[in-house]
Amino acid sequence: EIVLTQSPATLSLSPGERATLSCRASQSVGNYLAWYQQKPGQAPRLLIYDASNRATGIPARFSGSGSGTDFTLTISNLEPEDFAVYYCQQRSNWQNTFGQGAKLEIK
Amino acid sequence: QVQLGESGGGVVQPGRSLRVSCAASGFTFSSYAMHWVRQAPGKGLEWVAVISYDGGKKYYGDSVKGRFTISRDNSENTLHLQMNSLRVEDTAVYYCASDRGYSSSWTWYFDLWGRGTLVTVSP
Repeated sequence: EIVLTQSPATLSLSPGERATLSCRASQSVGNYLAWYQQKPGQAPRLLIYDASNRATGIPARFSGSGSGTDFTLTISNLEPEDFAVYYCQQRSNWQNTFGQGAKLEIK
Repeated sequence: QVQLGESGGGVVQPGRSLRVSCAASGFTFSSYAMHWVRQAPGKGLEWVAVISYDGGKKYYGDSVKGRFTISRDNSENTLHLQMNSLRVEDTAVYYCASDRGYSSSWTWYFDLWGRGTLVTVSP
């Protein structure tokens, strides 16, 4: 099973700042990686797929990069509604796994 | 309005069975693979199962293989998850989600999500 490790576990920033979240895979997943945002009491929302493609309706301040085993989600110019938990997810060999999640909190 | 709505959650004893369902509306349900994803209280996300757009292919996560069965009724725009031999560790909110891909080009990415239904397995 491919294990995804997200870092940092918690990131404390202020609105207007830039957030950088990392996701490392235990083996190569190519570019088959997605990012989701989850707010308390809500279902997750797809942000990025195939490492760098924004999903429908996702603002341009969200961007993804990386391939192989190292991936990054960058949120530029943080808005108050961006503070949430973020998960990375990989799909390979008919299986999916998620990272453990990273909390982006207001400083 | 494009939406998914889960139902059927509740409290059940270990070893018993439960079926949860997901009603789809506002899109061509029969053209999309569908997934179940769960989230234990205060924990992260775990993919459970997927079924192809036509029901011909099904895959399961290792923790539920042999105990859970995913199915769909395209005439009723409904997805089901039959859960047998339930364990305490199956306690979670169960979300249904549509695949981002269309028809046979499923992507294993989760696009539209329901609000979830809570399944509690407790003695």
